[in-house]
Amino acid sequence: DGGITQSPKYLFRKEGQNVTLSCEQNLNHDAMYWYRQDPGQGLRLIYYSQIVNDFQKGDIAEGYSVSREKKESFPLTVTSAQKNPTAFYLCASTSLLTGLAGGRNTGELFFGEGSRLTVL
Amino acid sequence: AQTVTQSQPEMSVQEAETVTLSCTYDTSESDYYLFWYKQPPSRQMILVIRQEAYKQQNATENRFSVNFQKAAKSFSLKISDSQLGDAAMYFCAYRNPPYNNNDMRFGAGTRLTVKP
Repeated sequence: DGGITQSPKYLFRKEGQNVTLSCEQNLNHDAMYWYRQDPGQGLRLIYYSQIVNDFQKGDIAEGYSVSREKKESFPLTVTSAQKNPTAFYLCASTSLLTGLAGGRNTGELFFGEGSRLTVL
Repeated sequence: AQTVTQSQPEMSVQEAETVTLSCTYDTSESDYYLFWYKQPPSRQMILVIRQEAYKQQNATENRFSVNFQKAAKSFSLKISDSQLGDAAMYFCAYRNPPYNNNDMRFGAGTRLTVKP
């Protein structure tokens, strides 16, 4: 089935360590996103990418890094510079294509099941 | 950057009753998308309903409908005949179209409790 796969589902990290969260999609979507979710703060955008080898910072990019070497993959690295990394991380993707005969894109994001990172 | 505000951190409704969740947003654009997503305890984000700004007609999906007021930049969600399975966090979201800075912004969420 088509969808977005995030791994691992749960991850524990010691302070000072870098960790990488995986996000893979087989929906042939162009754009991919990483969000961080903390209690009471909704989803905050970390990074997004609209095309391979290109990505843009979101609102809270400090302490994070990403790469987009393949259309299907958009891994997120949480570096030791991120001061408070314990959170729930969501990956999402969407198509940038319009429909046939110039029809409009639906605009929705499709989400993975998330990864819970805990710093010990 | 565009902002999305949900002023109700928590809401409660009796089963079979109707509840309305509020959302306002700030943008200078005329072409954009608006969404309501549901996040149950499993934390999987599920699309509830979408609205395109150029469409004046309010979107409906079964028991879910929206009241889209473009001039007021308001986008509320009405849930009719509430069911126990509707209990979840609900997020309002705004997105520019693909040709214009393609990011999506979310509100802080409203936690909906459904009482039997």
